[in-house]
Amino acid sequence: GDSVTQTEGPVTLSEGTSLTVNCSYETKQYPTLFWYVQYPGEGPQLLFKVPKANEKGSNRGFEATYNKEATSFHLQKASVQESDSAVYYCALSEGNYAQGLTFGLGTRVSVFP
Amino acid sequence: AQTIHQWPVAEIKAVGSPLSLGCTIKGKSSPNLYWYWQATGGTLQQLFYSITVGQVESVVQLNLSASRPKDDQFILSTEKLLLSHSGFYLCAWSPYWGFYEQYFGPGTRLTVL
Repeated sequence: GDSVTQTEGPVTLSEGTSLTVNCSYETKQYPTLFWYVQYPGEGPQLLFKVPKANEKGSNRGFEATYNKEATSFHLQKASVQESDSAVYYCALSEGNYAQGLTFGLGTRVSVFP
Repeated sequence: AQTIHQWPVAEIKAVGSPLSLGCTIKGKSSPNLYWYWQATGGTLQQLFYSITVGQVESVVQLNLSASRPKDDQFILSTEKLLLSHSGFYLCAWSPYWGFYEQYFGPGTRLTVL
């Protein structure tokens, strides 16, 4: 089956530094890739999706490029803020809209002022 | 705009007691609906999905059942709770035609004692 592997957390950063969360995946199909963010006590929120290989997604200063050859989809932000403290999940869909997403284990990011 | 509501916000229940959790989607007709379970500090595990009223498919067997009595409503239930049912239950929806991203509700925190 599909699998998603992410950077193990927790990741601790100071405000203004850069963030990279690595994500790699295995699937037999050509997936659509997603990054979700989850704040404590809330449901995950869609950060962005990238449906096509070699394209980039971005939102709120975060970005990730779908690298089909390397089967990777790393999340990056150049300068983090304390409000970016959350758990970040990489996820994929094989395109069967009736089925769910396959999520990575999540990476907890803590940003301190 | 679409809104997703889950109830209750939190439950504390005894082992062996029954459970019913609910989810309602407003502003979108015929959505695909999903139930996920998240252990404390863990990732999201899909439990059920439904693409139409009265039709529910199980993904994982956790001694839980689900029903979709109305187009906009998804119910998760069990007659006998286990300690292992504790966690965070999330309802999600996606548009019916050709979109794979899912939008999550605020979740229900369940503690089984």
